[in-house]
Amino acid sequence: DSGVTQTPKHLITATGQRVTLRCSPRSGDLSVYWYQQSLDQGLQFLIQYYNGEERAKGNILERFSAQQFPDLHSELNLSSLELGDSALYFCASSDATGDYEQYFGPGTRLTVT
Amino acid sequence: AQTVTQSQPEMSVQEAETVTLSCTYDTSENNYYLFWYKQPPSRQMILVIRQEAYKQQNATENRFSVNFQKAAKSFSLKISDSQLGDTAMYFCAFMKAVVGNQFYFGTGTSLTVIP
Repeated sequence: DSGVTQTPKHLITATGQRVTLRCSPRSGDLSVYWYQQSLDQGLQFLIQYYNGEERAKGNILERFSAQQFPDLHSELNLSSLELGDSALYFCASSDATGDYEQYFGPGTRLTVT
Repeated sequence: AQTVTQSQPEMSVQEAETVTLSCTYDTSENNYYLFWYKQPPSRQMILVIRQEAYKQQNATENRFSVNFQKAAKSFSLKISDSQLGDTAMYFCAFMKAVVGNQFYFGTGTSLTVIP
């Protein structure tokens, strides 16, 4: 158990809908990262937050947005969903003080029908 | 930009044998970290081993070891005495040595250990 939690585990929704994925980092970790893993692909970095502020952006679509709250949990919002958005979405956290390791949550599997 | 390449989409190995997974990367950075992650059918990402680029000595973790060739930008993973539980996707990942930086992942190698 990495200490990172993600909810929900599974999500099935229709095209055009909007969903919110939630992540709670390990206790004390200030950095949260979101990654997308499409079928049989590697993980693609989407976005990073550090202590409530956006720190870095990767291949994140304009239809996607994220935020990190004062209690350090993070939410990834996906809107106007398309079939191609079906993927496993991982959240990872790190303490960003010298430990370069990131701790991954169990992921949320999103299926868009 | 950083890129990570895993040229072996699938591999298999007999139980108790040794297998080597390949990874190459491209970067202009001098300080960075390299990682191997394992993703079993449960889909959980599990850190297998990591290597600091400034260290010449290859990292080892029990049955897992790496062959890090900095000049060749190569970072292979050797699994000795393969076990059935080693069956998984293996991802190579690169990170610039900047605290709080993102991972760049390869596309993965699917390893099957045959009883």
